[in-house]
Amino acid sequence: GDSVTQMEGPVTLSEEAFLTINCTYTATGYPSLFWYVQYPGEGLQLLLKATKADDKGSNKGFEATYRKETTSFHLEKGSVQVSDSAVYFCALSDRGSGAGSYQLTFGKGTKLSVIP
Amino acid sequence: GAGVSQSPSNKVTEKGKDVELRCDPISGHTALYWYRQRLGQGLEFLIYFQGNSAPDKSGLPSDRFSAERTGESVSTLTIQRTQQEDSAVYLCASSLAQGAHREQFFGPGTRLTVL
Repeated sequence: GDSVTQMEGPVTLSEEAFLTINCTYTATGYPSLFWYVQYPGEGLQLLLKATKADDKGSNKGFEATYRKETTSFHLEKGSVQVSDSAVYFCALSDRGSGAGSYQLTFGKGTKLSVIP
Repeated sequence: GAGVSQSPSNKVTEKGKDVELRCDPISGHTALYWYRQRLGQGLEFLIYFQGNSAPDKSGLPSDRFSAERTGESVSTLTIQRTQQEDSAVYLCASSLAQGAHREQFFGPGTRLTVL
C-alpha cells in the first residue's frame, strides 16, 4: 500500500537558518504530494502541493519539488523564522481502495522549533 | 467563509461507553473524510463520503467504529464500547470534489480521552 516516510524530529534551528525536511513515498498509482502544517493551537492546513513530476510547490518561502525518480518531496526554506515553529506533515493522495476515495496518507510529522 | 467545524472539541469518557463526534463540512464540499491522529503518529484515514455514493470504510479499525453522513451535510462518527486505545484526536476534512489533487480542509478536531 501507499506510505510516506519523513525525517523524525524534533528539529531545532536558529532564526535565519536553512531548513530541509526529507520526505519519501511509495505509491501504487501516480499520486499528488502535499505538505501540511500544524501551528501550535491551530488546525492542520495546507502549506503547498505538487500534482505531477517535476512540479514545484511553493508558499510562504517554503518549496518542495516532486521527484518521481527518487520518489521524494523534500521541504526546504532558505531562512526560517520563529513564526515557522510548527509540526510539518508530508502526505500523498492516491486512488484509495474504494471507488476513488483519494484519502491522504500522512507521514508521522516533524516538529520544528526555531529559536531567536 | 466558515471552515470545517467539529464538536465537541474535547470529550472524556469511560471505557465501555459509546461516543458520537460531529463534523460540519464547508458548504458545497461533496467529499468528507474522517482521520485519527494518535499521540506521536501521523494521521490515519478512517472513512470517506462522496455525495450519495457508498462510503469507503476501508480505514475503520474495527466494527465498533461507524459513521454516517446525510447527503452533503453533517457527518457523525460513532465509537461504541470505547477502549483506551481509541484515545486520539479525530479530525474531519472536506474537499470540493474527489480527486488526488484536491486540497482537503481540516477541522480543529475532537480530542477523545478514554479513561
